[in-house]
Amino acid sequence: AQSVAQPEDQVNVAEGNPLTVKCTYSVSGNPYLFWYVQYPNRGLQFLLKYITGDNLVKGSYGFEAEFNKSQTSFHLKKPSALVSDSALYFCAVRENYGGSQGNLIFGKGTKLSVKP
Amino acid sequence: DVKVTQSSRYLVKRTGEKVFLECVQDMDHENMFWYRQDPGLGLRLIYFSYDVKMKEKGDIPEGYSVSREKKERFSLILESASTNQTSMYLCASSSGRLYEQYFGPGTRLTVT
Repeated sequence: AQSVAQPEDQVNVAEGNPLTVKCTYSVSGNPYLFWYVQYPNRGLQFLLKYITGDNLVKGSYGFEAEFNKSQTSFHLKKPSALVSDSALYFCAVRENYGGSQGNLIFGKGTKLSVKP
Repeated sequence: DVKVTQSSRYLVKRTGEKVFLECVQDMDHENMFWYRQDPGLGLRLIYFSYDVKMKEKGDIPEGYSVSREKKERFSLILESASTNQTSMYLCASSSGRLYEQYFGPGTRLTVT
């Protein structure tokens, strides 16, 4: 069965420091991986995705993620955190049914708190 | 920009009422989804649709139904609302070419 794990419920970072939000996955076949961010009382916003190609993927708001096939990980990173980055972050993997269909399986989310 | 709108941001209903949650997307996406989000449980898929008049059960369909009469609109129906359906409901859409889903702002439903 395909699954996504976010091992940390909460990550605390000081403003200006680098941040990492961890994600590991389990899929059959090649993974399609995604990161989303959710601000309070809002829907999820798409940040970035890995489908194929370069293992380092760049996305919105200065975020990037590194795909590591041997460790089955897709950690979200940012070189210098901002207080405004404080939010709930979700990792997701797409089920591989083939063709254009396939639902996303979401992790339980990691709350990022950036302190001034 | 993709825009997904939901009919209400906040909704309060009484136990036993029939509740309609509407979702509209403006990007001609084939796929539409309904999730509920609860603290500690993440997002759980209720129903999805890959085409007009087509619907498939997700992980937690009990107590819900859906309707997709037009490509841009996907409705979630709670036939008889119960207190355990108090939750945040999120609608999303996607194109088969892009894979990622785009979400609406959510409807926070309270059933009393």
